[in-house]
Amino acid sequence: AAGVIQSPRHLIKEKRETATLKCYPIPRHDTVYWYQQGPGQDPQFLISFYEKMQSDKGSIPDRFSAQQFSDYHSELNMGSLELGDSALYFCASSFPSTDVLTFGAGSRLTVL
Amino acid sequence: GENVEQHPSTLSVQEGDSAVIKCTYSDSASNYFPWYKQELGKRPQLIIDIRSNVGEKKDQRIAVTLNKTAKHFSLHITETQPEDSAVYFCAASKSGGSYIPTFGRGTSLIVHP
Repeated sequence: AAGVIQSPRHLIKEKRETATLKCYPIPRHDTVYWYQQGPGQDPQFLISFYEKMQSDKGSIPDRFSAQQFSDYHSELNMGSLELGDSALYFCASSFPSTDVLTFGAGSRLTVL
Repeated sequence: GENVEQHPSTLSVQEGDSAVIKCTYSDSASNYFPWYKQELGKRPQLIIDIRSNVGEKKDQRIAVTLNKTAKHFSLHITETQPEDSAVYFCAASKSGGSYIPTFGRGTSLIVHP
């Protein structure tokens, strides 16, 4: 069965650079969620999209932005990277009007 | 907003023993409680969930109980095996609006052979 696809799996950037993470949800899932997980931490909700519109906003920094496109894939754009942005970034998706999330394999961002 | 507390933060057991992880939540409107297992560097994977209209749910060696009055829920793993070693997260969310789950801080379970 198709899963949530994230790319790239690993990314290394310098401070103040930008990065873009991509997420392809499971087919027919209309809601996408982005989470950030630091080492030894629980996943922190960043932002979510429903039917290509932003639906909820969590602890996403102003330096970051995200969107969901017409094919339901989503991109997380991260500007002016800081050392503290080094983390695993998970995307999850869900069926319409359900609360069961399926997570992607994650993108590991390292900021040097 | 919702606040989920999870205990213990680490749990070490011998193979074959049982393991219990407990969570409490603050928002009485929360009605969906999933449990995720996360191996090092991997994605969180849903292992079992329970809804507020049910008090207990079982799936082979894993069971979850929910006490709505006390606002706490627990994960029970019986006959633990080394491959059960992972970080377990509880979460709480509510339907009828935002489905965003709030996670607990996680429990690192170590099963010694």
